[in-house]
Amino acid sequence: DARVTQTPRHKVTEMGQEVTMRCQPILGHNTVFWYRQTMMQGLELLAYFRNRAPLDDSGMPKDRFSAEMPDATLATLKIQPSEPRDSAVYFCASGPRGDYSSPDFGPGTRLTVT
Amino acid sequence: DQQVKQNSPSLSVQEGRISILNCDYTNSMFDYFLWYKKYPAEGPTFLISISSIKDKNEDGRFTVFLNKSAKHLSLHIVPSQPGDSAVYFCAASAQGGSQGNLIFGKGTKLSVKP
Repeated sequence: DARVTQTPRHKVTEMGQEVTMRCQPILGHNTVFWYRQTMMQGLELLAYFRNRAPLDDSGMPKDRFSAEMPDATLATLKIQPSEPRDSAVYFCASGPRGDYSSPDFGPGTRLTVT
Repeated sequence: DQQVKQNSPSLSVQEGRISILNCDYTNSMFDYFLWYKKYPAEGPTFLISISSIKDKNEDGRFTVFLNKSAKHLSLHIVPSQPGDSAVYFCAASAQGGSQGNLIFGKGTKLSVKP
């Protein structure tokens, strides 16, 4: 049963610290998304990659957020420096090749910045 | 501005009755629509989808209806079961998802009472 995995599941950190969230997409999926869920905004798209190339990161605060895919099995989302307003659940999702597909979501990383 | 809107934050339904969840969109380029279900502390899971060439798609107890002229879709669950209690997200994308941008609404929390 192929699944998207995310680590860590929970992260508590102090304001100003660097946070790195990791995602392992489903093998063979060529599109990877990062979403953030907050009470106010629902599920916001932060960035997505296709074949490891970043296609759109317009949803991310560029000064503090960065997203990369060092290889096909790993996607990372970094926040440096973190702020209390970054507290949210961050989801990674991966999608198979082809149109009209439905991305699979990971379990999320719950980030709390104090 | 929100491109995908779910105007009802919550819905309560009696077990065995029909649940109707609504979603409106503003972008006429959207041609692929999905519904995801989310339980607490889990990632969203894909439920059902519809492309713009159809006006109805059915999968067991779940049916999605699309009204392109009104830019409106709805999810019907019949009969509703307590296990259906979750947050339901509507999502939309353009060009069959090939643009990658899967835009979500803020979700509707469904409670099915025994």
